[in-house]
Amino acid sequence: GENVEQHPSTLSVQEGDSAVIKCTYSDSASNYFPWYKQELGKRPQLIIDIRSNVGEKKDQRIAVTLNKTAKHFSLHITETQPEDSAVYFCAAPDNYGQNFVFGPGTRLSVLP
Amino acid sequence: ETGVTQSPTHLIKTRGQQVTLRCSSQSGHNTVSWYQQALGQGPQFIFQYYREEENGRGNFPPRFSGLQFPNYSSELNVNALELDDSALYLCASSLSVGGAGETQYFGPGTRLLVL
Repeated sequence: GENVEQHPSTLSVQEGDSAVIKCTYSDSASNYFPWYKQELGKRPQLIIDIRSNVGEKKDQRIAVTLNKTAKHFSLHITETQPEDSAVYFCAAPDNYGQNFVFGPGTRLSVLP
Repeated sequence: ETGVTQSPTHLIKTRGQQVTLRCSSQSGHNTVSWYQQALGQGPQFIFQYYREEENGRGNFPPRFSGLQFPNYSSELNVNALELDDSALYLCASSLSVGGAGETQYFGPGTRLLVL
């Protein structure tokens, strides 16, 4: 089945700096990769996603890149702000293609 | 915010008891997936319901069961509760048309504590 690894587990950056979180997956047939942000005590919130027919997608300060050959995808946050502090999860479709295997999460702290 | 709702928000049970958690999917969505999220971990897939049928199951024992109703809302039932069942239970709704990789939107979750 699909296996998703995520690094780093914790990340601290100064406000205004960039943050990068990387995930690797095992199933070469996987074709859709969402990123979720989860603030303390709240639901995971979809922040960006990418399908395998593109290599990069941007939405304001957030971007995701995908390398299908190497089977990894990364979340890039530029000009970080304190409200970006949260746990970020990547995910990839499981064997059925309908549900997702989540990475273990990255706790991002943006220091003022 | 998504249109996915869950009830109750919090629940305390004792070992051996049974619990039912409820989820209303976002308008227009026909699929509900359930996840268990232990403290400090990512969500773990329990099962999915599509058109009132179970459509995939993760590595959870049979005492975890579910239902989906004609209006696409869903229930998760857990029998014979164990201490390790303490977690945040999340449902996610999506619109499935048979393809892979359907975007899932999460509800706020039910936090279950088993004593």
